[in-house]
Amino acid sequence: DTGVSQDPRHKITKRGQNVTFRCDPISEHNRLYWYRQTLGQGPEFLTYFQNEAQLEKSRLLSDRFSAERPKGSFSTLEIQRTEQGDSAMYLCASSLGFGYTFGSGTRLTVV
Amino acid sequence: DQQVKQNSPSLSVQEGRISILNCDYTNSMFDYFLWYKKYPAEGPTFLISISSIKDKNEDGRFTVFLNKSAKHLSLHIVPSQPGDSAVYFCAASDDKIIFGKGTRLHILP
Repeated sequence: DTGVSQDPRHKITKRGQNVTFRCDPISEHNRLYWYRQTLGQGPEFLTYFQNEAQLEKSRLLSDRFSAERPKGSFSTLEIQRTEQGDSAMYLCASSLGFGYTFGSGTRLTVV
Repeated sequence: DQQVKQNSPSLSVQEGRISILNCDYTNSMFDYFLWYKKYPAEGPTFLISISSIKDKNEDGRFTVFLNKSAKHLSLHIVPSQPGDSAVYFCAASDDKIIFGKGTRLHILP
């Protein structure tokens, strides 16, 4: 296992389009987290899963955002009707207990 | 409402000297504090952590100090090396990790 994988690394989309990102965590990790990072900010928590259950969602996660982890393994984050303010680095992390391992992120640019 | 604050956006330190990065927090319920390091185009990588019941943790060139009464922690890097140039995030954990805005450290030759 080489760590947390995120796909794609970069995504450019037109405003109003839908996008979906994928995260493959470290296989034995039961917790999976999504964060968003914009320029000059630290990673901001969006949501997390324990196995397939989504346990918490940030108020940053508007109705246009949805995340799933259907079999408790990989996760997807979908953004519908993208807006320019959605442009950011979307980071996924996984953990078994204390401490996270992050992926390299998906950089989204909405034009 | 920022629960973890890093008030210095950037810091420049001469190679070989000590780098001190500071962090303040507001939530006394945090049970662990962490430092992450981030290079461009990569995700944050874990550097060092400290439990809320301790006041110091050391790992090689890196030492984290925790002052609970002041709700303050700091990361000391000594001696600083060119490869330490990166953005450092202070973070705190309850059931999820909350990050500060980061401090960009420049190690000068």
